[in-house]
Amino acid sequence: EPEVTQTPSHQVTQMGQEVILRCVPISNHLYFYWYRQILGQKVEFLVSFYNNEISEKSEIFDDQFSVERPDGSNFTLKIRSTKLEDSAMYFCASSRTSRTRSEQYFGPGTRLTVT
Amino acid sequence: GESVGLHLPTLSVQEGDNSIINCAYSNSASDYFIWYKQESGKGPQFIIDIRSNMDKRQGQRVTVLLNKTVKHLSLQIAATQPGDSAVYFCAENIPPGNTGKLIFGQGTTLQVKP
Repeated sequence: EPEVTQTPSHQVTQMGQEVILRCVPISNHLYFYWYRQILGQKVEFLVSFYNNEISEKSEIFDDQFSVERPDGSNFTLKIRSTKLEDSAMYFCASSRTSRTRSEQYFGPGTRLTVT
Repeated sequence: GESVGLHLPTLSVQEGDNSIINCAYSNSASDYFIWYKQESGKGPQFIIDIRSNMDKRQGQRVTVLLNKTVKHLSLQIAATQPGDSAVYFCAENIPPGNTGKLIFGQGTTLQVKP
């Protein structure tokens, strides 16, 4: 069964450093997403991406965040200058379409710890 | 405002019993709802979805009920098994919804006692 993969599984970084979280969506999917989940809290939408551009982003997704699809398989989330409050699980998801009844498949997540 | 919330943070049931997990949503314009299951250390896993033009949808051992009058969504799990132990989230999509953005609720932890 196809699945979304994410690397690394755990990333520890110092405040102010840049991090890049990587995702490989399911191969025939066209829509890509990043969500985050602070420990013990709900999953929060960050950004959706289609046709090599952002289609929607949340208030959380400020200028420190960027996304890229550098090739035909990877989808990355970059945080330019990490803050303590960026510590969270980051989930990548993908779907065939963005319309209703298009299931979003989530990856296992990257735990980001900012010290 | 946009918010989806769950009534109970933890639900404990006996193996074999039926479970009912509830969710309240505040945006009456929401037209698509999904239940996700999240096991420890894993990403959310799709369970079942329902459109706003329906009030009930059944899957394998699971049923989702939608009451638009009171903006309430529930997930029923029949014959709950230990493998059902997880955190359950409801999520909604608000029109136009063409970006795929999902808004998640707080989550309910389901504990299944053997």
